Amino acid sequence: ILNVEQSPQSLHVQEGDSTNFTCSFPSSNFYALHWYRWETAKSPEALFVMTLNGDEKKKGRISATLNTKEGYSYLYIKGSQPEDSATYLCASSGAGSYQLTFGKGTKLSVIP
Amino acid sequence: EAGVAQSPRYKIIEKRQSVAFWCNPISGHATLYWYQQILGQGPKLLIQFQNNGVVDDSQLPKDRFSAERLKGVDSTLKIQPAKLEDSAVYLCASSLPIPNTEAFFGQGTRLTVV
Repeated sequence: ILNVEQSPQSLHVQEGDSTNFTCSFPSSNFYALHWYRWETAKSPEALFVMTLNGDEKKKGRISATLNTKEGYSYLYIKGSQPEDSATYLCASSGAGSYQLTFGKGTKLSVIP
Repeated sequence: EAGVAQSPRYKIIEKRQSVAFWCNPISGHATLYWYQQILGQGPKLLIQFQNNGVVDDSQLPKDRFSAERLKGVDSTLKIQPAKLEDSAVYLCASSLPIPNTEAFFGQGTRLTVV
């Protein structure tokens, strides 16, 4: 079973601030890295799926990078808004596997 | 496109009682997952189905947990008897039968065992 670590555990930022979180994962037998956003009382929503070293993906004000050689991914949020408040989960999977191994998540609170 | 449907949303039971959760995946999604998310931890895979067959149930506590997907569509997860440590959010997800593809989650069932 892969061990996925996320930091920080929680984060409070002011509206308008930019922020970033880290996800680290074992680089051996790595195939894909998934980021999800989970708002309270809603379903976890997929943000990105990345597989290649050096991948960078962007969706609006949110972007993510991937380093498979050193086993980490960063998620960036530019100009945080209150609606960005959620728990951000990353999950890693191995080659040919359907199974996602999740980190504990980073809980982001954006203060208006 | 309709999402993954789960019911109930919330359930409170006493320890040693039984409980069942239901999941209806997205139409056409052959792969279905049940995850358990205990407060402060990440979601943990309990069981994965491909159509009506079990692909992985290595982390399912089989002495008390069971799951089925008889017709390859809807699925039920049962706990009998429940323990206090089973208090968690139970998430159902579905995906196309392609490794490492995006999984779509339901809203989950929050179970409290008292």
